[in-house]
Amino acid sequence: DIQMTQSPSSLSASVGDRVTITCQASQDINNFLNWYHQKPGKAPKLLIYDTSNLEPGVPSRFSGSGSGTHFTLTISSLQPEDFATYYCQQYENLPVTFGGGTKVEMK
Amino acid sequence: QVQLVQSGAEVKKPGSSVKVSCKTSGGSFGTYTMNWVRQAPGQGLEWMGMIIPLLGTANYAQKFQGRVTMTADKSTTTAYMEVRSLRSDDTAIYFCARGRKTVLGVWGQGTTVTVSS
Repeated sequence: DIQMTQSPSSLSASVGDRVTITCQASQDINNFLNWYHQKPGKAPKLLIYDTSNLEPGVPSRFSGSGSGTHFTLTISSLQPEDFATYYCQQYENLPVTFGGGTKVEMK
Repeated sequence: QVQLVQSGAEVKKPGSSVKVSCKTSGGSFGTYTMNWVRQAPGQGLEWMGMIIPLLGTANYAQKFQGRVTMTADKSTTTAYMEVRSLRSDDTAIYFCARGRKTVLGVWGQGTTVTVSS
């Protein structure tokens, strides 16, 4: 199985901050990398698919980049509704695997 | 607007089975996959497998092979996921999620399954 390692596991930030989360795959995943966020008690929500494509309806402050085994999610200006846990997910190979999550908390 | 509506919370004894349903409302199954993802208390996301409702073919994560069955009823646009031989570590929220392949764009609200004697 492909292992997905996210860092950091948690971070504290303020509204307006630029936030970057990284995801490392254990092998090349050919950009088949998606990002989700999840708020407490809710289902995850797709933000970015195929490394850098914004899901319709997702604000443009979210962006994704990377290639091969190293990927990043950037929030250009953190908003109050962005405090959540973020997960990366690869689908180059089955089984689909997720990163361990990054919890973005208010400073 | 497509929505996935899951069945209600379940409390089960160890060794029993549970069957969770996921109804697609506002649309058909189309050519999408239906995936099942679970989340143990305070933990991350774990993909269990998927079914292609149009074909009825399923693909399971190795960990769940033989203990989980995913099915889909095209006439009612409802997907089902059954877990047998339940253990305490199967206590989790179970989500269905519609996928373009395994890009999971629409999620159900989740079904809490508690396994306790």
